[in-house]
Amino acid sequence: AQSVAQPEDQVNVAEGNPLTVKCTYSVSGNPYLFWYVQYPNRGLQFLLKYITGDNLVKGSYGFEAEFNKSQTSFHLKKPSALVSDSALYFCAVRPYSGAGSYQLTFGKGTKLSVIP
Amino acid sequence: DGGITQSPKYLFRKEGQNVTLSCEQNLNHDAMYWYRQDPGQGLRLIYYSQIVNDFQKGDIAEGYSVSREKKESFPLTVTSAQKNPTAFYLCASGLAGPKNIQYFGAGTRLSVL
Repeated sequence: AQSVAQPEDQVNVAEGNPLTVKCTYSVSGNPYLFWYVQYPNRGLQFLLKYITGDNLVKGSYGFEAEFNKSQTSFHLKKPSALVSDSALYFCAVRPYSGAGSYQLTFGKGTKLSVIP
Repeated sequence: DGGITQSPKYLFRKEGQNVTLSCEQNLNHDAMYWYRQDPGQGLRLIYYSQIVNDFQKGDIAEGYSVSREKKESFPLTVTSAQKNPTAFYLCASGLAGPKNIQYFGAGTRLSVL
């Protein structure tokens, strides 16, 4: 069975500084990896995904993520944080194939607070 | 939130009562999903459906039931057998296949009276 770990419940960063939200995963075979963002009392919004190819994936709102197969990580990054980036961020994984490929498995989420 | 509509936004359940959460999508997606979100626990899959008239249990299906009679609709019933139903419920849809994005509705918050 696949799993996702987001080791930090909360990340605080000053506005204008770079931000990183960490994610590691466990899956049989190759993974499809996703990042979503959730604002209070709202559904999840898709940010970016890794399918194959270039390890650096660019997504919405200036976010990017780096896939590292040897470290089984997919950390979310942004060069310069905005106060409006403050939200709950979820990493998710699906395997390429097999019974588990029908299921998107989420981490527990990381709350990002950008301080003005 | 786009083309996925969840209703109602807030729902209250009395002891022993079944309640049904609605999820409708106009994105022509084959696959639909129901998740439960509790604080600090991320999202957990309740049920999913890859095609009309077919659905499978997820990790926490006990106390819940679903139907998929139309491609556009995937209602979730929280039965009286679900002893701790208070949570935020999210419906999602997407094209079939593991590489495709799941798109989420705005959610329904269920509380017990």
